[in-house]
Amino acid sequence: DADVTQTPRNRITKTGKRIMLECSQTKGHDRMYWYRQDPGLGLRLIYYSFDVKDINKGEISDGYSVSRQAQAKFSLSLESAIPNQTALYFCAAANSLSPGELFFGEGSRLTVL
Amino acid sequence: GENVEQHPSTLSVQEGDSAVIKCTYSDSASNYFPWYKQELGKRPQLIIDIRSNVGEKKDQRIAVTLNKTAKHFSLHITETQPEDSAVYFCAAQDYKLSFGAGTTVTVRA
Repeated sequence: DADVTQTPRNRITKTGKRIMLECSQTKGHDRMYWYRQDPGLGLRLIYYSFDVKDINKGEISDGYSVSRQAQAKFSLSLESAIPNQTALYFCAAANSLSPGELFFGEGSRLTVL
Repeated sequence: GENVEQHPSTLSVQEGDSAVIKCTYSDSASNYFPWYKQELGKRPQLIIDIRSNVGEKKDQRIAVTLNKTAKHFSLHITETQPEDSAVYFCAAQDYKLSFGAGTTVTVRA
């Protein structure tokens, strides 16, 4: 399995604060994704990147930004957090040769008060 | 973009019985359909997948079927066991992966 690591695993913050969630993977996979999980809504795509110079919006990108600093690193930022961004966030990596097989990180639980 | 609908949202089965989860997709260009299992407090993990040139695939107690004409695909779990209790997500891929909302499966002992 791709080793996909997310930090922090849990974060509580206040409305208006800037938050960064970081993701790194050690298998050299070229594709990386950020998903948000909410009960009853499944996994919704926030942003995705197919290589270092490639950033694409997903279905719910408003209020978020990302940075692909290197092939192994993909960070998600909330510039000004709001309570409805309280959710479980997953980073995932995939190889372009098998793009539908996602390897997920352990998740980052974010609470915005 | 792709829209994936998944039913039912919750499913309770007696141990040893079968469980079936159904999904539909909207984009005829989608050509890959994986299923992910997420145990409580864990990350989703791929359990089985099917490509658009195949109608059925089986792996021990789980099987997937695909009907391209009707744009629907299903997951079948036979002889359910307590460790099958989890949330299951279907997904469809055109150039990116779109997930269904998930089915919470509970296997009663």
